[in-house]
Formats: sequence, structure tokens, C-alpha cells
Amino acid sequence: GENVEQHPSTLSVQEGDSAVIKCTYSDSASNYFPWYKQELGKGPQLIIDIRSNVGEKKDQRIAVTLNKTAKHFSLHITETQPEDSAVYFCAASPFSGNTGKLIFGQGTTLQVKP
Amino acid sequence: EPEVTQTPSHQVTQMGQEVILRCVPISNHLYFYWYRQILGQKVEFLVSFYNNEISEKSEIFDDQFSVERPDGSNFTLKIRSTKLEDSAMYFCASRGPLTTEAFFGQGTRLTVV
Repeated sequence: GENVEQHPSTLSVQEGDSAVIKCTYSDSASNYFPWYKQELGKGPQLIIDIRSNVGEKKDQRIAVTLNKTAKHFSLHITETQPEDSAVYFCAASPFSGNTGKLIFGQGTTLQVKP
Repeated sequence: EPEVTQTPSHQVTQMGQEVILRCVPISNHLYFYWYRQILGQKVEFLVSFYNNEISEKSEIFDDQFSVERPDGSNFTLKIRSTKLEDSAMYFCASRGPLTTEAFFGQGTRLTVV
């Protein structure tokens, strides 16, 4: 089955710096790659996603890139702010039909120091 | 803003007891999911549910687990005879028609003692 690996497990940056989190997946049938942010005491919240027919997607300070050949995708956060501090999860899904299950990476704890 | 609601937020139960975790998905959503996260580990898929039946389940989702949508609004996960290793955070999620985004609840922390 699908397996998703995420690195690094923890990341500490200074406010204003960029942060990059990387994930690899194993199942070439995966075609949907969301990124979730989880704050303390809350459930995961979608921040950006990308489908396999697109190589890059950007939303303000957040961007995601996808390399289907190498089976890896990355989250880029620019101009980080203290409120970006949270746990970030990547996921992959062979999105089709009535399932749409997500296979998650291990999570990255991002700390943005003021 | 519509949200997925889970109750209780924390449940402590004795080993061997049955527990029911409850979720109220977003009202017009058609696809429903349960995930769990053992402390320090990945979020793991348990089961997906569509059109009043299970559409896919993982190896974790054995005969001790069941799901139900009893009244068109609630979506429940039952664990028949809890084990210590069932201790985890359980997340419910739902997804609308023609969309890819899954919305997650805040989770129920289950502690089996």
C-alpha cells in the first residue's frame, strides 16, 4: 500500500525566514496531495493541496511543488510568522470513487522564533 | 463557518469495555472518515463510509470496530472490547460532493486503562 515519508520531524526558523518541508510517496496511483496544519488541541486543517496534473501551486506565502517522476512533493512557507508555528502533515491519496482516503506523513513540528 | 464536531473530547475507559465515539459531519457532506493517531505516530486511516456503507477500511479496522450513521446527522465509531493499544486520538472527517477537501473534527482522545 501507499507509504508517505516526511522530513524533517522538527524545524526551527527565525521569523521572516523560509521553511521547507519535504515528503515522498510510494504509490504511483496517488494523484492528490494535501497539506494540513494542526494547532494544539485542534484537528488538522487544510492549508493547500495539489493534484497530480499540476507541478506547482501558490497561495500567498505558501507554495507546494510536486515532482511526479521522483514521487516527492514539498511545502514552502516564505516570510514565516510566529503564528505559523504548528504541526504540519503532508498526505497522499489515490483519489477516486467513493473513498478518497488520505495516507499521512509523520508530521513536522515547525517553530518560528520571534 | 461549518465544522465537524466530535464528542466527547476525552474519554477514559477500562480495558474490555465498549466505547462509542460520536461525530457530527458538515451537513451537506456525503463522505465520512475515521482516522486515529497514536501518540507520537502518524495519523492513520481507519475507514471510509459513503451511501450508508463502508467503502474502504484499513487492516486496523478489524471486527472490534464498527461505524454507523444512525440518524442522517451523526456518524459513530464503536469499539466493542477496548484494548490498551486502542489508546489514541481519533479524528472524524467529512467531505462534500465534487470536492477533494476533507474537513477534520478536533478529535477525541481515548485512553484505555
